[in-house]
Amino acid sequence: AQSVTQPDIHITVSEGASLELRCNYSYGATPYLFWYVQSPGQGLQLLLKYFSGDTLVQGIKGFEAEFKRSQSSFNLRKPSVHWSDAAEYFCAVGGDDKIIFGKGTRLHILP
Amino acid sequence: GAGVSQSPSNKVTEKGKDVELRCDPISGHTALYWYRQRLGQGLEFLIYFQGNSAPDKSGLPSDRFSAERTGESVSTLTIQRTQQEDSAVYLCASSSPLRRGRAWGYTFGSGTRLTVV
Repeated sequence: AQSVTQPDIHITVSEGASLELRCNYSYGATPYLFWYVQSPGQGLQLLLKYFSGDTLVQGIKGFEAEFKRSQSSFNLRKPSVHWSDAAEYFCAVGGDDKIIFGKGTRLHILP
Repeated sequence: GAGVSQSPSNKVTEKGKDVELRCDPISGHTALYWYRQRLGQGLEFLIYFQGNSAPDKSGLPSDRFSAERTGESVSTLTIQRTQQEDSAVYLCASSSPLRRGRAWGYTFGSGTRLTVV
């Protein structure tokens, strides 16, 4: 069965610092992988997705993620965070049908 | 329409009552999904429709939950005899057929916030 683990419930970083949010998945074949962001009171917005090809994926808002098959990971990174990045981040995995979401990582930004 | 539309945006109901939540997907999107997001939690998959295939109901938490979809258009999620633990935001999403290497869109609606009192 497919599953997603986001081991960090909360992450706090200082504005301008680098960020890495962890995501590990379980899936029987090569998965589709996604990162979504949800700001307070807002809907879900797709940051980036991986289907195939280059394992380093660029997304919106300066985010990137790297698919590492050997580690079953798809960690999200940003070199320098902004206060507006404070939000909940969800990793998701799927195939040719539904996608399953992790429980999320809440990102806090220190001024 | 331009996006996935859900109604109502907010619903307050008394424990034991039935509720219906509606989702209008993006025109042409053959796949439709329902998720539940409890306060402070992640998205919990409920049900998935793909075209005329039998729906994947594996995420429905109890037999009080059911969903229907008319062709490739509107879907209704029904919760019977609501309980307080049903309080959550119910999100609908739709997508074009998933094909590796092709353009793909998986768009969420704004959700229906259900409060059971």
